[in-house]
Amino acid sequence: NAGVTQTPKFQVLKTGQSMTLQCAQDMNHEYMSWYRQDPGMGLRLIHYSVGAGITDQGEVPNGYNVSRSTTEDFPLRLLSAAPSQTSVYFCASSYPTGTSTYEQYFGPGTRLTVT
Amino acid sequence: QKEVEQDPGPLSVPEGAIVSLNCTYSNSAFQYFMWYRQYSRKGPELLMYTYSSGNKEDGRFTAQVDKSSKYISLFIRDSQPSDSATYLCAMSGRTRDYKLSFGAGTTVTVRA
Repeated sequence: NAGVTQTPKFQVLKTGQSMTLQCAQDMNHEYMSWYRQDPGMGLRLIHYSVGAGITDQGEVPNGYNVSRSTTEDFPLRLLSAAPSQTSVYFCASSYPTGTSTYEQYFGPGTRLTVT
Repeated sequence: QKEVEQDPGPLSVPEGAIVSLNCTYSNSAFQYFMWYRQYSRKGPELLMYTYSSGNKEDGRFTAQVDKSSKYISLFIRDSQPSDSATYLCAMSGRTRDYKLSFGAGTTVTVRA
């Protein structure tokens, strides 16, 4: 299993440009999510999906779109990049561990700089 | 005020020392408490998971939860240079709640 993969690893955008961050998992996990990680802020949830065709907003969704057409893929779109979106983006997938909570598996991250 | 507060560190300790990491939280609905470890330029990975109050031990790692004080801790005994990483606490409320609230993380360096 490759686990959770993310592309690209690094990206530099100019203000106003759009792009898509790719995320894929081969573990057949139903739940996938996108986080951003900023110094001193921890991981903040952007969007999440509980299955193909179902998405919802997290804590910081503005400026981002998602879709989930397959179980495996969960791309994140930046509509019009802003310097405030400079961050490290992590995709995660998870599955239910018994009857309790979910263990989340994280990808390696995409480092995005918006100038 | 953030829902989860974590001592920012950074923390630097000699090899073999005990590392103590802490988080406090304000949401009394949290029932599931996790510690993730994140190596530099990598994604976080689950280290330990605890339900409700009490202690849990796994090798050199011990997680403690005190729900009455809304306080959780992670202890690393006999710390090794390979333990150098950022440690993030995370919490969730309902059973099978896949939305986690994370602390900001504490960076630990274990000096050989």
